[in-house]
Amino acid sequence: GAVVSQHPSRVICKSGTSVKIECRSLDFQATTMFWYRQFPKQSLMLMATSNEGSKATYEQGVEKDKFLINHASLTLSTLTVTSAHPEDSSFYICSATVSLLAKNIQYFGAGTRLSVL
Amino acid sequence: AQTVTQSQPEMSVQEAETVTLSCTYDTSESDYYLFWYKQPPSRQMILVIRQEAYKQQNATENRFSVNFQKAAKSFSLKISDSQLGDAAMYFCAYRGGLTSGSRLTFGEGTQLTVNP
Repeated sequence: GAVVSQHPSRVICKSGTSVKIECRSLDFQATTMFWYRQFPKQSLMLMATSNEGSKATYEQGVEKDKFLINHASLTLSTLTVTSAHPEDSSFYICSATVSLLAKNIQYFGAGTRLSVL
Repeated sequence: AQTVTQSQPEMSVQEAETVTLSCTYDTSESDYYLFWYKQPPSRQMILVIRQEAYKQQNATENRFSVNFQKAAKSFSLKISDSQLGDAAMYFCAYRGGLTSGSRLTFGEGTQLTVNP
């Protein structure tokens, strides 16, 4: 299947700093990319939908100024957690949609574990 | 809004046995897609199987098969000949038709333990 690369896999930062997470589709052009947040032993919570060349669509309750999303190309989307605080510590997962014979399958990155001290 | 419900937070099965994971959903759409994803301890989400709502035939992928009951809005996953590597969190997911975007709605997940 298609490969989605997410980097870094783990990051530890001090409170107040900003952290950037990259999501790349390696062998396909992604129509849409999604960013999720997952708390321990819970389901994936959609944060935002990212389309290349346009502003991201954020889910209700997600602060767009806190979680900046840039989708500069069909193969790269980035999530920046600005002025991170301990409550932002979580597991963040991206996914990319490939339109394969109109099946629009979502492929997921391996996730990023963010720990804010 | 669409909702997906997995009523079994945890399930266990003996190696080589069969286990069924339940999933129900609620939607007013007639065209949609259903998925089962597996999340092992590595936390990498892996697509296990998918089902198009317009297809009456249940999807099958090797040891994995589904029982899709459209009228009952039920979409269970059967794992046959369970293996230790099947141990993971399993998520049922719903996606609307092609005209409604490609976002997924996930269930709460079922943690599957495989006992040797």
